Amino acid sequence: GAGVSQSPRYKVAKRGQDVALRCDPISGHVSLFWYQQALGQGPEFLTYFQNEAQLDKSGLPSDRFFAERPEGSVSTLKIQRTQQEDSAVYLCASSFEGTGGTEAFFGQGTRLTVV
Amino acid sequence: KNQVEQSPQSLIILEGKNCTLQCNYTVSPFSNLRWYKQDTGRGPVSLTIMTFSENTKSNGRYTATLDADTKQSSLHITASQLSDSASYICVVSSGTYKYIFGTGTRLKVLA
Repeated sequence: GAGVSQSPRYKVAKRGQDVALRCDPISGHVSLFWYQQALGQGPEFLTYFQNEAQLDKSGLPSDRFFAERPEGSVSTLKIQRTQQEDSAVYLCASSFEGTGGTEAFFGQGTRLTVV
Repeated sequence: KNQVEQSPQSLIILEGKNCTLQCNYTVSPFSNLRWYKQDTGRGPVSLTIMTFSENTKSNGRYTATLDADTKQSSLHITASQLSDSASYICVVSSGTYKYIFGTGTRLKVLA
């Protein structure tokens, strides 16, 4: 596709429910990032993939958060047993490489609301 | 600790006026600094990117400056338009995959 695509755009989950958020990066982009953006805040790093390898997951807030990119393209961020504090916009970004020197393109995000 | 701080937190200006947004960072080592525009409900879109050796970069009505000695950057918007209403985020990279994001300045342009 022409850009980074995320789905769903909006997700309302009941507390305790599991959710899965999808990211389709730009074709050919090696690096893929997930960020969490709370209301009125800047994005916070969650995890980083280089192809299918998850090189850094230090930003994942708890073991309820899990991300995968099994074939080095599409990625899924899964949140188990959602809590109200998980409510945020989850942004996915991809770039051709991962050294910070190339452009990172962001998707529109998935707004998760836990009720 | 690597940090990026922006000011003001929010700003309201009249259409046609100019404004300047500030960014101070303590990221080390420093590789590059970007300004992103984030419309409500959208992902951030890059406006400018500057490396250590660059001290100004323009993109249409947007002009970014960088002082690597004082670790400060500014984004100047000239002749503002209603469509400039958005959050402007300063992002610093240390050369790795980790970008350090500021909390942004929310700009509102009024007719």
